[in-house]
Amino acid sequence: EIQLTQSPPLLSASVGDRVTITCRASQGIRAYLAWYQQKPGKAPNLLIYAASTLLSGVPSRFSGSGSGTQFALTISSLQPEDFATYYCQQLNTYPITFGQGTRLEIK
Amino acid sequence: EVQLVESGGGLVKPGGFLRLSCAASGFSFDSHNMNWVRQAPGKGLEWVSFIVSDSSYRYYADSVRGRFTISRDSDKNSLYLEMNSLRVEDTAVYYCAREGKYYHDSRAYYVMDYWGPGTLVTVSS
Repeated sequence: EIQLTQSPPLLSASVGDRVTITCRASQGIRAYLAWYQQKPGKAPNLLIYAASTLLSGVPSRFSGSGSGTQFALTISSLQPEDFATYYCQQLNTYPITFGQGTRLEIK
Repeated sequence: EVQLVESGGGLVKPGGFLRLSCAASGFSFDSHNMNWVRQAPGKGLEWVSFIVSDSSYRYYADSVRGRFTISRDSDKNSLYLEMNSLRVEDTAVYYCAREGKYYHDSRAYYVMDYWGPGTLVTVSS
C-alpha cells in the first residue's frame, strides 16, 4: 500500500497569504495524484488532477506541482472561502490512498 | 447536472448488516466506474471499494474485504454497498464517488470528480 504523508497537518494563515501544502508518497506514483478540498459537513471537491492540472472552474490561485514522490499544492493568495481541509490522493495503484489531510485555518 | 445521492445509513449493532444505495443521475451511469469512500467522525478519507462500469471487476480495501460487497444496477442507475459483520470501527459517513476520465499530455487520468453528500453509518451497541 502506498502511504501519502501530508504536511503540515494544521496551517494557520491570513487572507492574502501564499501557502503551500506538501504530499510525499512512499513510492513513485508518477503524476497520478489529485488534490481535494473539503469543508465541514460537505463532501470533498476535486481541485487538481495529474498532479498539476486544475479542474475546469477552479480558481487560478490554486496550483499543483510535483512528480514521482514529492508533490505540492499552493494557494497564491488566500481567500476567505479557501479555509478548509485539503487532501492529496494517489490513483497510481490500488488500494487508492489519501493523505491524512491538512486543515487550513484563519490566523 | 450530475447528482449522486446516498441512502441506507443508520444505527446498527456490531455484527449487523446494512445496505447502502447511491442513486445516480445527470450522466451516463453505464459509462463510469464508481467508488465508495468513507470518513470516520473527525478523521480523514478512506477509500473503501471500486467497481468497474460493467461490473467485471471490483476492488476492496483490506479493512472491508470479505465483509463488504459492492454492486451496481444499470437499469436503476444505482450503486450499492452491502456491509456485513459490521464493527464499531466501520462507523463513518459513506460517500459514493464517480470516477471521471481526464486527459493530460495525452495520458488518461481517472479521478473522483463527483461525490454524493454522504450517508452516516453508526455501529454501536
